[in-house]
Amino acid sequence: AQSVTQLDSQVPVFEEAPVELRCNYSSSVSVYLFWYVQYPNQGLQLLLKYLSGSTLVESINGFEAEFNKSQTSFHLRKPSVHISDTAEYFCAVSVGTNAGKSTFGDGTTLTVKP
Amino acid sequence: DVKVTQSSRYLVKRTGEKVFLECVQDMDHENMFWYRQDPGLGLRLIYFSYDVKMKEKGDIPEGYSVSREKKERFSLILESASTNQTSMYLCASSHGRQHTGELFFGEGSRLTVL
Repeated sequence: AQSVTQLDSQVPVFEEAPVELRCNYSSSVSVYLFWYVQYPNQGLQLLLKYLSGSTLVESINGFEAEFNKSQTSFHLRKPSVHISDTAEYFCAVSVGTNAGKSTFGDGTTLTVKP
Repeated sequence: DVKVTQSSRYLVKRTGEKVFLECVQDMDHENMFWYRQDPGLGLRLIYFSYDVKMKEKGDIPEGYSVSREKKERFSLILESASTNQTSMYLCASSHGRQHTGELFFGEGSRLTVL
C-alpha cells in the first residue's frame, strides 16, 4: 500500500516570496506522482505530474516539483508567489498496476498575503 | 473542453433521507471515483468503478452505495443520510487501469445533512 505525507498543513507567505510545499511518500513499487490544486469552492485540477524521465517537472504558472527517489519526496516550489496562488494543494501517488486508484495527502493550504 | 459534471453543487437534506449524487464525464474514461473531502483529512476514497456495472469499495464505503449503468455516469447513493455525512463530495474519472492514474475532477457537491 502507498501513503502520502504532506508535512505542512498551512503555509502563509507574503506576495513575491518563494515557497516550498513538502510531500513525502512511501511505496514498495514505482509510483507516478501528482500535485493537484484546489481554488476556493472548486474541484481539484492537475498542477503537474511526474511519470518518468527528468526528475524536475514544471507547470505553466511557474511551479516546479522535483522527484527525489532516495528521499521519497516530491516537494513543490515556486520562486515568487502571487495572491492568486492562494489555494489548497494536494500531493498524490498512484501505481502502474492499479493506476486508477490514487492516494492523497491531507493537503496544504497556501495563503499568500499582500 | 473535457469535463466531469456533478449534478448539484449544494444540497441540504434531513437525517434519514435518501440522497443521490450524480456524476457524468464526457472523456470516455473507464474509471470513475467518488471521494469525500473533509478539512484536515484530505480526500478519502468511498467507491470506484473500472467498468460499467462494476464497483469496488474504497477506504470508507460504509453508509454509501454506487451505481454505474452507463460508462459516462457514476452515481453515489446515501440510503439514509446522517449528520456525519455532511461533507464535500468529489467525483473524478481517469483512463484505463494501466494508465498513469491522472484524475479529472468535477466541481464538487457540498452536502449538508440536518
